[in-house]
Amino acid sequence: EEQVVESGGGLVQPGGSLRLSCTASGFTFSTFALSWVRQAPGKGLEWVSSINGNGANRFYADSVKGRFTISRDNSRNTLYLQMNSLSAEDTAIYFCAKWGQFCSSSSCYYGMDVWGQGTTVTVSS
Amino acid sequence: DIQMTQSPSSLSASVGDRVTITCRASQSIRNYLNWYQHKPGKAPNLLIYAASTLQSGVPSRFSGSGSGTDFTLAISNLQPEDFATYYCQQSYSLPWTFGQGTKVEI
Repeated sequence: EEQVVESGGGLVQPGGSLRLSCTASGFTFSTFALSWVRQAPGKGLEWVSSINGNGANRFYADSVKGRFTISRDNSRNTLYLQMNSLSAEDTAIYFCAKWGQFCSSSSCYYGMDVWGQGTTVTVSS
Repeated sequence: DIQMTQSPSSLSASVGDRVTITCRASQSIRNYLNWYQHKPGKAPNLLIYAASTLQSGVPSRFSGSGSGTDFTLAISNLQPEDFATYYCQQSYSLPWTFGQGTKVEI
C-alpha cells in the first residue's frame, strides 16, 4: 500500500523555524514528484511547494518563496520542508502528497493520488 | 496565476440525492482538472483526474465533465460517506491552484 506520513509539526513563535518531514512507503520514492499542501484553520487547500523525483526542480507558492525550502532524501524515502521566518499566516495543517502520472495514448495527466493525514503547525507567541 | 472558482460554497442534500458542483478556471486549462474529496481529520482523496476520468477505487456514482474553463462534478445517489468538502484543482500550469471548496452537508 502506498503511504506517506508527515511529522515535525508543533508550536513555534513568530519568526521561528520548523522542519517538517514526510516518510513514504509502498512505492518507488525517487520516481515521483511530491508536494506540500496546507490548510489554514477554516480555509481551503493551498499548494505550498513541489519537488521533482531527483530533487533538481523545486517550485514554491509566492506566499512562502524565500522562506521555505523543499528537499528530499531518496535514500531515506523522505521529503522535507524547512520553514523559516514563520508568521501567524503560516498556521495550518501541512499535508504531504505524491503526484501520480496517468497516461493515455495521447496525453499524460497528473494528480495528487497519495496524501498523508497532515501535521499541524501553529505559529503563536 | 490561474484562479479556480467553485460554486456553491456549500450545499445541503439528503441521502439518495444527486448533487452537482461547478468549477470555473480564469483561463483555459484544457482538461487538466482534478477533483478531491476531503473529510475533517483525514487525508484528501483524489476522485477524478483529466476532468472526467475516475481514479481507481472511486465509486461510479461520481462523475466529472467539462473542458476549457467550465467543469462539473456530479454525485448521484448520495451516500452518507459522501458528506465532505470537495475541491477542484488545476494541473495545467504552476502555481497549482485549488478552488475554495464546496461543503456537502446533510
